Amino acid sequence: QSALTQPASVSGSPGQSITISCVGTSSDVGAYNSVSWFQQHPGKVPKLMIYEVTNRPSGVSERFSGSQSGNTASLTISGLQTEDEADYYCSSCTSSAICLFGGGTKLTVL
Amino acid sequence: EVQLVESGGGLMKPGGSLRLACTVSGITFSDAWMSWVRQAPGKGLEWIGRIKSKRGGGTTDYAAPVKGRFSISRDDSESTVYLHMNGLKMEDTALYICVWMNRVTIPGFWGQGALVTVSS
Repeated sequence: QSALTQPASVSGSPGQSITISCVGTSSDVGAYNSVSWFQQHPGKVPKLMIYEVTNRPSGVSERFSGSQSGNTASLTISGLQTEDEADYYCSSCTSSAICLFGGGTKLTVL
Repeated sequence: EVQLVESGGGLMKPGGSLRLACTVSGITFSDAWMSWVRQAPGKGLEWIGRIKSKRGGGTTDYAAPVKGRFSISRDDSESTVYLHMNGLKMEDTALYICVWMNRVTIPGFWGQGALVTVSS
């Protein structure tokens, strides 16, 4: 299976909102309500930011939100802050925990 | 507190074998479905395999690039999951991270990773 498709990079200014897309197919993203989003700062392991499309783990800022339409999931970050600058990855996992990751998106906060 | 600690990484020659271990605490390990994910230097995340809990069948699945060369096993008495890597290739050079699949479809908790370098 091919990786999920994400834009290589996005950018925004502090206070703005940005959206990162994650495009899959009807066999992965569109088949399961299981898209997760991860934030990875340089030298760190990924941190779960969104699970099951729209849910935030405890401790994750409300500025992070997720949505999905068909085979495309999206992560929106509102009120951009400099510490949001990181790489972001989406994943889609089947009910048997077989997963696909997106190629990653580098977010630059200008 | 959930903790996952990998060990066993190192420098290997092409064709070599290596076993990584991931010891987990803070959860009922015997009920845990565990995955391995890798990240090559400067590259993205790649899911490489999963082992179900014994109650879930204990079965394994692997991504195409490692199928037939890598295998995953578990020792519930030691709360440890293993990644057995055979026939290593230079393209297997990566940070290998074990992940607890809480609620099966959520790669929720990640270890810090073990670095494997394959070079002649």
